[in-house]
Amino acid sequence: GENVEQHPSTLSVQEGDSAVIKCTYSDSASNYFPWYKQELGKRPQLIIDIRSNVGEKKDQRIAVTLNKTAKHFSLHITETQPEDSAVYFCAASNRVRNQGGKLIFGQGTELSVKP
Amino acid sequence: GAVVSQHPSRVICKSGTSVKIECRSLDFQATTMFWYRQFPKQSLMLMATSNEGSKATYEQGVEKDKFLINHASLTLSTLTVTSAHPEDSSFYICSARYREDTQYFGPGTRLTVL
Repeated sequence: GENVEQHPSTLSVQEGDSAVIKCTYSDSASNYFPWYKQELGKRPQLIIDIRSNVGEKKDQRIAVTLNKTAKHFSLHITETQPEDSAVYFCAASNRVRNQGGKLIFGQGTELSVKP
Repeated sequence: GAVVSQHPSRVICKSGTSVKIECRSLDFQATTMFWYRQFPKQSLMLMATSNEGSKATYEQGVEKDKFLINHASLTLSTLTVTSAHPEDSSFYICSARYREDTQYFGPGTRLTVL
């Protein structure tokens, strides 16, 4: 079945450094790739997403890149701040109606930004 | 926009009782909602896809008679955990599909079964 692998599982960086989280997916028909940030005990929050017709998308300090050939996508956070500390999840979905657009999630990355 | 609420946020019940959790899209209509279960320090596990006006689609290994889903309107889906047992204790989160692909999540319900 569909699978999304996410690495690393934990990531610790110094404030101001960059952080990169990588995901690979198995279903070549996947065409939507969101990233969620989840703080402890709270809901996952959508921080950025990308569709398969685009190779890169940026929103202030956050960017996502997509390599469809290699079936992997990455989250880049620049100038990290302590408030960026959270668990980040990547996901993939296939926008086929009969699948309802369900998301397949990666295992999560616990990012810690040290002041 | 795209706000999803969930109620209750926390529930403690005795073993054998049933618990109903509501998921509402507050400012948009959602023909499709999703129910997830999340264990501590783990990822979100999709339990079922809830479609307005039709039966839910359950993921493999999820008991449909145990986890009853009803999506009676375009803004409300409910998950009922029937005859709850301690192993059902978990964090249950719903999401609602907004426009094409985007999913927005509710705040979650922490269920503790004694």
